[in-house]
Amino acid sequence: DTAVSQTPKYLVTQMGNDKSIKCEQNLGHDTMYWYKQDSKKFLKIMFSYNNKELIINETVPNRFSPKSPDKAHLNLHINSLELGDSAVYFCASSFGLSYEQYFGPGTRLTVT
Amino acid sequence: GENVEQHPSTLSVQEGDSAVIKCTYSDSASNYFPWYKQELGKGPQLIIDIRSNVGEKKDQRIAVTLNKTAKHFSLHITETQPEDSAVYFCAASRSDSNYQLIWGAGTKLIIKP
Repeated sequence: DTAVSQTPKYLVTQMGNDKSIKCEQNLGHDTMYWYKQDSKKFLKIMFSYNNKELIINETVPNRFSPKSPDKAHLNLHINSLELGDSAVYFCASSFGLSYEQYFGPGTRLTVT
Repeated sequence: GENVEQHPSTLSVQEGDSAVIKCTYSDSASNYFPWYKQELGKGPQLIIDIRSNVGEKKDQRIAVTLNKTAKHFSLHITETQPEDSAVYFCAASRSDSNYQLIWGAGTKLIIKP
């Protein structure tokens, strides 16, 4: 069984569109994250939720809006997509104050 | 701001040889140092970690060493195998923020048959 799952795996869209990426974890973790990995493989934290509360909100455009309907889900909505948003987006989760993070398989977003 | 420098960016070794990846961190209060392995098309996966009260930790063919004075930590892989080919990331905990890691830029390890 997949521990951290993301949908879709691939997303190709045009500039200006709005899209969402969904993440679910079945590990019973209470902390979830969104990372962006650029073409050079650099990992950048975007957001983190603990028990459905936003605890990390790095400097990202406000076109990006996370939403956590419950502890097992963290979705990422992106408005007015731009070419520079093209990247692989990873969801991750952890238990409480543990730094050990479990990553999903990633969503490759391509904006044309 | 705080950062983690990782070297080399690419490392190519012969199968069976050892590989060493090095990281330097700037936050002297960091106390947790994980290493993640990212295989092609997958998310990073934790392979080993070390806390600041320990100098070395081993798990079969992989080991991590920590020098707190110099603020260095390293990943050592012995008897490398083709399945070790991947991108490896080091990270350090941020002392000013719960739950957050400062990530290195990654090392692409290539194992030559």
